[in-house]
Amino acid sequence: GAGVSQTPSNKVTEKGKYVELRCDPISGHTALYWYRQSLGQGPEFLIYFQGTGAADDSGLPNDRFFAVRPEGSVSTLKIQRTERGDSAVYLCASSRQGGDGYTFGSGTRLTVV
Amino acid sequence: AQSVAQPEDQVNVAEGNPLTVKCTYSVSGNPYLFWYVQYPNRGLQFLLKYITGDNLVKGSYGFEAEFNKSQTSFHLKKPSALVSDSALYFCALRRDTDKLIFGTGTRLQVFP
Repeated sequence: GAGVSQTPSNKVTEKGKYVELRCDPISGHTALYWYRQSLGQGPEFLIYFQGTGAADDSGLPNDRFFAVRPEGSVSTLKIQRTERGDSAVYLCASSRQGGDGYTFGSGTRLTVV
Repeated sequence: AQSVAQPEDQVNVAEGNPLTVKCTYSVSGNPYLFWYVQYPNRGLQFLLKYITGDNLVKGSYGFEAEFNKSQTSFHLKKPSALVSDSALYFCALRRDTDKLIFGTGTRLQVFP
């Protein structure tokens, strides 16, 4: 597609529930990144995919967070047993070959109530 | 440890005046530095980057940034601010791996 698409744009969920956030990168971009942006903060790195594999998942805060990219294009960020502290905007970005000016999606605003 | 600092939470400037948004960094070795802009309810948009070469980097929308190795700074500048430049600006650093380390952001407010 023309840009990085993230769905849903907004998600409200109850504490303890499971959520999935989807990212559809620019066609042909092999690198895909997930970041989390809390209110008043800069984006924080979560995980980076090169193709289908997670090249760096050092930013995932705990084992409730997991991400997949099974066919090397669309990626899903999965959060189990959501907590109120998970509330943030989750940003996805892609690039042709790691680094060099990513293209970001508009983000998914997750609110855990 | 690698880090990026944006010392100003907000910068106010009158339309037509020059603007500067400050960024300093800490890294061992040569940094790759970026500026992004974020408008309300929008994703981050790439403005410019410094990888190597000329210390003055020109980017989108008339913005430029000056890399200063001795002061470990990468300040964003524009000669004449527009009201439409009002947004949140992030400086970011990349080193070794492909992940970006972002500053906390500076809100630029341009007054008519």
